[in-house]
Amino acid sequence: AQRVTQPEKLLSVFKGAPVELKCNYSYSGSPELFWYVQYSRQRLQLLLRHISRESIKGFTADLNKGETSFHLKKPFAQEEDSAMYYCALASYSSASKIIFGSGTRLSIRP
Amino acid sequence: GAGVSQSPSNKVTEKGKDVELRCDPISGHTALYWYRQSLGQGLEFLIYFQGNSAPDKSGLPSDRFSAERTGGSVSTLTIQRTQQEDSAVYLCASSFEWNTEAFFGQGTRLTVV
Repeated sequence: AQRVTQPEKLLSVFKGAPVELKCNYSYSGSPELFWYVQYSRQRLQLLLRHISRESIKGFTADLNKGETSFHLKKPFAQEEDSAMYYCALASYSSASKIIFGSGTRLSIRP
Repeated sequence: GAGVSQSPSNKVTEKGKDVELRCDPISGHTALYWYRQSLGQGLEFLIYFQGNSAPDKSGLPSDRFSAERTGGSVSTLTIQRTQQEDSAVYLCASSFEWNTEAFFGQGTRLTVV
């Protein structure tokens, strides 16, 4: 079964420290993976997708097929990075859809 | 409008009443999703539409929940005989294709008292 796992519900780091939000997936085939972010009182929005290979707001995510992971990283956290982050998988199946993980709340301490 | 629009923004209803939540997707988007976000919880998948058909209804919590989409556009999520555990934020999203960027509405906050 297709599944997205975000093991951390809450991650708290100091400003300027590195950040890594973990995401593991279960999927047979070539996955399409995304990170979505929800800032306080804003809509959920796309942060980045793996096929774009972009760095958005200093964040990057590398797909590791061997470890079935798509961790989100940023070398130096900023206070404005505090938000809820969701990892998502586009699932090719008889009923294709986007599956979201349970989310990780990132809190950046000053 | 430019984005996904949901109405109402807030809904308070008495236990046992029926409610209808509406989603207006971005024009031209074929895929439409409903999710539920409970306090402190992640996104719970409810149902997915491709055009007017729903290939995946597996996330609907019970037969009190139903949804439809007409004209490949507007979708309505109906909850019958609401229960307190139905209280949550209901999010709608649409995308051009099922595996492209999903655009979310602002959500409907449902409170069952």
